[in-house]
Amino acid sequence: KAGVTQTPRYLIKTRGQQVTLSCSPISGHRSVSWYQQTPGQGLQFLFEYFSETQRNKGNFPGRFSGRQFSNSRSEMNVSTLELGDSALYLCASVPGTTAPNEQFFGPGTRLTVL
Amino acid sequence: AQTVTQSQPEMSVQEAETVTLSCTYDTSESDYYLFWYKQPPSRQMILVIRQEAYKQQNATENRFSVNFQKAAKSFSLKISDSQLGDAAMYFCAFSVYGQNFVFGPGTRLSVLP
Repeated sequence: KAGVTQTPRYLIKTRGQQVTLSCSPISGHRSVSWYQQTPGQGLQFLFEYFSETQRNKGNFPGRFSGRQFSNSRSEMNVSTLELGDSALYLCASVPGTTAPNEQFFGPGTRLTVL
Repeated sequence: AQTVTQSQPEMSVQEAETVTLSCTYDTSESDYYLFWYKQPPSRQMILVIRQEAYKQQNATENRFSVNFQKAAKSFSLKISDSQLGDAAMYFCAFSVYGQNFVFGPGTRLSVLP
């Protein structure tokens, strides 16, 4: 099976712009989670989608939003970018059952805000 | 709310030696899962080992093993015969029913030749 894929891998934006990141989970996985990783804050949970519904949400402002499509692919959107949004954004998928499934991570999208 | 603490921001080990990374967590749940993830400099996060809380036997995966102390809420990772490829950030993580994953701040492991 192909792994979790994220596009684009690198992105440079300027303050005030908006950005959309994409994540394709492993085939058959129904849950997709997004994380923001920065050197100072570690791995911060953004949100999780399961069967097109947001199931959990982290403590991030409303500028961060996401959605999941019927094929389980997920997108994350950040509006009105700030310098502090520069980070590695990781996507992870889980099959979605109640089994002790670990998360399978994608390679990440490195976002730089200038 | 669940929390995961890794008290060692950085660790180093000589090649072929053994190193133990510490992790403690806090939860009121009785049934949960614990994981160690590795993130090499290439940034792809991969699972190293996992432990189910209801199992008393410590998990082992080749050179990697854990010391799971449920009462103490401790979950340490032991790496035996360390190799250069083990150099990475290691994250301890906690999950209930495959949801609500909580990650620790990470420990950066250096392997010295």
